[in-house]
Amino acid sequence: QKEVEQDPGPLSVPEGAIVSLNCTYSNSAFQYFMWYRQYSRKGPELLMYTYSSGNKEDGRFTAQVDKSSKYISLFIRDSQPSDSATYLCAMRGLTGGGNKLTFGTGTQLKVEL
Amino acid sequence: NAGVTQTPKFQVLKTGQSMTLQCAQDMNHNSMYWYRQDPGMGLRLIYYSASEGTTDKGEVPNGYNVSRLNKREFSLRLESAAPSQTSVYFCAARERGSGTDTQYFGPGTRLTVL
Repeated sequence: QKEVEQDPGPLSVPEGAIVSLNCTYSNSAFQYFMWYRQYSRKGPELLMYTYSSGNKEDGRFTAQVDKSSKYISLFIRDSQPSDSATYLCAMRGLTGGGNKLTFGTGTQLKVEL
Repeated sequence: NAGVTQTPKFQVLKTGQSMTLQCAQDMNHNSMYWYRQDPGMGLRLIYYSASEGTTDKGEVPNGYNVSRLNKREFSLRLESAAPSQTSVYFCAARERGSGTDTQYFGPGTRLTVL
């Protein structure tokens, strides 16, 4: 079983829809949680960064972390065609091991006109 | 300010050939990483360098070696390429600051081993 599970999709939504992307994890040592966006044939770029449980909002994006359920989510409001990309969740523990990230496999999102 | 650059962008090798993937960053960050990305497997860490002069194995180091030449450059070497090493390789540099911890990725190298 993988430490981080993520539904690969693809997920197709109409423009303007609210999108919910999710990851579950099994390692209770994870404390930092990130969402990366990866456009086709490009490197990932950091979208959201959160520490421990709670919500964080940045424009149309909201990240939620529920450590009791080992579940994290990314919500995209008013989705746009430019949001079409693969979204990767990533997480790590507090210290040690070079602060290595463990990534989910990514969810492919397509926002259609 | 180019961030993280990687060369080459594409490469085709025959089984048993060797090559070095180059990575350079202009952001003066201490930590650098090499990942491979395969369908259904996500990003997996091959090697990392927490600071100049140090390197450590990641999740999938077999068949690879690395060199942290200086603070800017971190190269990945395949001594004897195998078809299982066909993948997209990403280099990253880590920025850690107040309230953030970001890895900046390069554009990737697409490697095919025949």
